Amino acid sequence: SQTIHQWPATLVQPVGSPLSLECTVEGTSNPNLYWYRQAAGRGLQLLFYSVGIGQISSEVPQNLSASRPQDRQFILSSKKLLLSDSGFYLCAWRTRGRGEKLFFGSGTQLSVL
Amino acid sequence: KQEVTQIPAALSVPEGENLVLNCSFTDSAIYNLQWFRQDPGKGLTSLLLIQSSQREQTSGRLNASLDKSSGRSTLYIAASQPGDSATYLCAAATDSWGKLQFGAGTQVVVTP
Repeated sequence: SQTIHQWPATLVQPVGSPLSLECTVEGTSNPNLYWYRQAAGRGLQLLFYSVGIGQISSEVPQNLSASRPQDRQFILSSKKLLLSDSGFYLCAWRTRGRGEKLFFGSGTQLSVL
Repeated sequence: KQEVTQIPAALSVPEGENLVLNCSFTDSAIYNLQWFRQDPGKGLTSLLLIQSSQREQTSGRLNASLDKSSGRSTLYIAASQPGDSATYLCAAATDSWGKLQFGAGTQVVVTP
């Protein structure tokens, strides 16, 4: 069966520090991968999605970047965190093809102080 | 741009009552609509997915309907239980890439 791993579960970082969140999927190949953010009191917002290795699409301009160095690995990064980067970050995957369910990881709660 | 709205934002019902959760979307040209459950501090669990060509989907006590012409989807949970307490999110896929536009969610509390 397929599983998605996301870590760390919680992270407290000072403003201006770098960030690296990792997500890996097991039990499937060639998945579409997604990074979402859920800010306090707001809905989920799509940040990045990827349909293959090295292929990244950004949905909103921001202080973050994403990379997909391997088929089942998706990384969210920042060189210098801002206070506004605080939030709950969720990685998700789905199989290729139209009309498939998205499956989410357990999330990372990021607090930038 | 697709906008998804969920009303009410919060709902409290006694155990045993049926739950009705509403979701509306502005652009009827959706690919599919998905309902999720989120427990506090946790990720999302997929409940039901309705394809654009379907009218409803059922899983156990859950039933979701889709009316594209009116821009609405409804999630019904029969005979609610305290374990159903959670935030329920609906999300519309705006294209075949699987990108979802989420509503803000309805927080449900089922009291024993």
